[in-house]
Amino acid sequence: DQQVKQNSPSLSVQEGRISILNCDYTNSMFDYFLWYKKYPAEGPTFLISISSIKDKNEDGRFTVFLNKSAKHLSLHIVPSQPGDSAVYFCAASLSELTFGQGTILTVHP
Amino acid sequence: DTGVSQNPRHKITKRGQNVTFRCDPISEHNRLYWYRQTLGQGPEFLTYFQNEAQLEKSRLLSDRFSAERPKGSFSTLEIQRTEQGDSAMYLCASSNYNEQFFGPGTRLTVL
Repeated sequence: DQQVKQNSPSLSVQEGRISILNCDYTNSMFDYFLWYKKYPAEGPTFLISISSIKDKNEDGRFTVFLNKSAKHLSLHIVPSQPGDSAVYFCAASLSELTFGQGTILTVHP
Repeated sequence: DTGVSQNPRHKITKRGQNVTFRCDPISEHNRLYWYRQTLGQGPEFLTYFQNEAQLEKSRLLSDRFSAERPKGSFSTLEIQRTEQGDSAMYLCASSNYNEQFFGPGTRLTVL
């Protein structure tokens, strides 16, 4: 049973436009949510996080939104840049992290 | 601060051999985690330590897997009698709070 799901395996966006990556979870006990970016042959790099008591957190071009009633979070990247092309993982925390399957983002120049 | 380091970066072994991986966390972090990642999947939690205490080990994949963090600093993950299904990326992360910071991983290939 997949407690954290990223239903879009891939996303293609034009440079300068908005990228929206989505994530759904099932366990209402999760109290913290994170987004990671991963390049091939490297470990995940932390991007941004949000506590379950908030509904939005912003850091530069990256904004995470949390909808607890829908058990849904999303990552917005504005404006998207070619260097953003990578695999993006959402993760939910109790003590350890539970990850989604990842979404491959491709930003075209 | 050099971040989380892992050694070796790559390991090729024959089925049935034992392998050991090392993780050096960020120095001021007291929590250390091990994950496994296979192709097309997100990282999968294996075990974690708070200082030298192993607080969760029920998710280790089998009794062939074991981990130690003897002095609350670096950690080792050992896989005994490796099988081809053990081929994966093994990731280490460390934290003090909610955000976990990952190392580059050790890529294991079992022939």
